[in-house]
Amino acid sequence: DIQMTQFPSSLSASVGDRVIITCRASHIIRSHLNWYQQKPGQAPKLLIYAASSLQSGVPSRFSGSGSGTDFTLTISSLQPEDFATYYCQQSYSNPPTFGGGTKVDIK
Amino acid sequence: EVQLVESGGGLVQPGRSLRLSCAASGFTFDDYAMHWIRQAPGKGLEWVSGISWNSDSLGYADSVKGRFTISRDNAKNSLYLQMNTLRPEDTALYYCVKDSSDYYGSGTYEYYFDYWGQGIPVTVSS
Repeated sequence: DIQMTQFPSSLSASVGDRVIITCRASHIIRSHLNWYQQKPGQAPKLLIYAASSLQSGVPSRFSGSGSGTDFTLTISSLQPEDFATYYCQQSYSNPPTFGGGTKVDIK
Repeated sequence: EVQLVESGGGLVQPGRSLRLSCAASGFTFDDYAMHWIRQAPGKGLEWVSGISWNSDSLGYADSVKGRFTISRDNAKNSLYLQMNTLRPEDTALYYCVKDSSDYYGSGTYEYYFDYWGQGIPVTVSS
């Protein structure tokens, strides 16, 4: 199975900050990488698919980049509603696997 | 509007069985693969099982292989997960999840999990 590693596992940031979350795959996965946001008590929500494609309805302050083994999720200007846990997931080979998550909280 | 509503969870003793159901609406159910994904309390996401649109291809995580069975009834717009020989480590919130593709199986293809139910808790404890 492909292992997905996210870092940092948590971070504290302020409204308006630029936030970057990194995800690394144990094997080359080309651009088969998706990002999800999960708020407390809610189901995960798809943000980015195929490494850099923004899901419909997701604000443009979210962006994704990367290919191969290294990927990033960037929030250009953190908003109060963005405090949540973010997960990456590889869709290159089955079984699909997730990173351990990055919790973004208020500084 | 896509809706995925899970049912059938609850408290069960180790070694017993439970069957989860997921009622889907708001999309053409038999056009898409479907999955179960779980989240243990305070932990991350773990894919459990997936099924292609026509049930031709099924897959399971190693942790549940031989104990869990996924199935679907396209006439009823429903997804199921039969869970046998449950263990305490199966305790989790179980999500019914829609795939962006109709296919599930081997090889590399583009897909993502675009809609999630609210989840149903399963607790395995004596």
